[in-house]
Amino acid sequence: IVLTQSPGTLSLSPGESASLSCRASQRIISGYLAWHQLKPGQAPRLLIYETSRRDTGIPDRFNGSGSETDFTLTITRLEPDDFAVYYCQQYGSSITFGGGTKVEI
Amino acid sequence: DVQLVQSGPEVKEPGESLQISCKGSGYTFSSYWIGWVRRMPERGLEWMGVIYPAYSDARYRPSFRGQVTISADRSINTAHLQWRSLKASDTAIYYCVRLLGGSPEGPIDLWGQGTVVIVSS
Repeated sequence: IVLTQSPGTLSLSPGESASLSCRASQRIISGYLAWHQLKPGQAPRLLIYETSRRDTGIPDRFNGSGSETDFTLTITRLEPDDFAVYYCQQYGSSITFGGGTKVEI
Repeated sequence: DVQLVQSGPEVKEPGESLQISCKGSGYTFSSYWIGWVRRMPERGLEWMGVIYPAYSDARYRPSFRGQVTISADRSINTAHLQWRSLKASDTAIYYCVRLLGGSPEGPIDLWGQGTVVIVSS
């Protein structure tokens, strides 16, 4: 399954909202889609799995939604710590990743 | 703390061999699948393969089969990624990851900090 993320880069200010898209080349069974945050010099972290389940400790400003082939990560009230690269990952058929979306100030 | 700690950066020449490691702590290492992910600047993240430490059951994405070897030593809670003969195209950051859910196809719920591998003459 090929995952296509858009946009490639999102330029926003703290306090604004971000909407990140992840489109799959075929249906992802059982909504098996996750979102991860990568920041330089840190271990990446899981934000969302199974489309909309937040991992432990992830603030409710991060919300996942979608189904079938179209998925979205929405980040409300952006904080300085949120500026990072975000990847979607599907695990319904093997494991593949999207190309990433960079959220920059 | 539940964590995966990876070995340090490596600089190698083409043709050399290399093994990098990933040590798990704070949880039952043998009970979770451990995978490896490659990150290259123009290619994003790529799934390489996975191993179940309890049985050393290793599975590879087809494009990586024969190129690398994934192994695990459950006695020291450590997984390894090995190359017999490095190429310049192996230059990348390599992450070990833990999979949630007891399946070799699951969400990644824990990442190592990454190991930088540079292959250059």
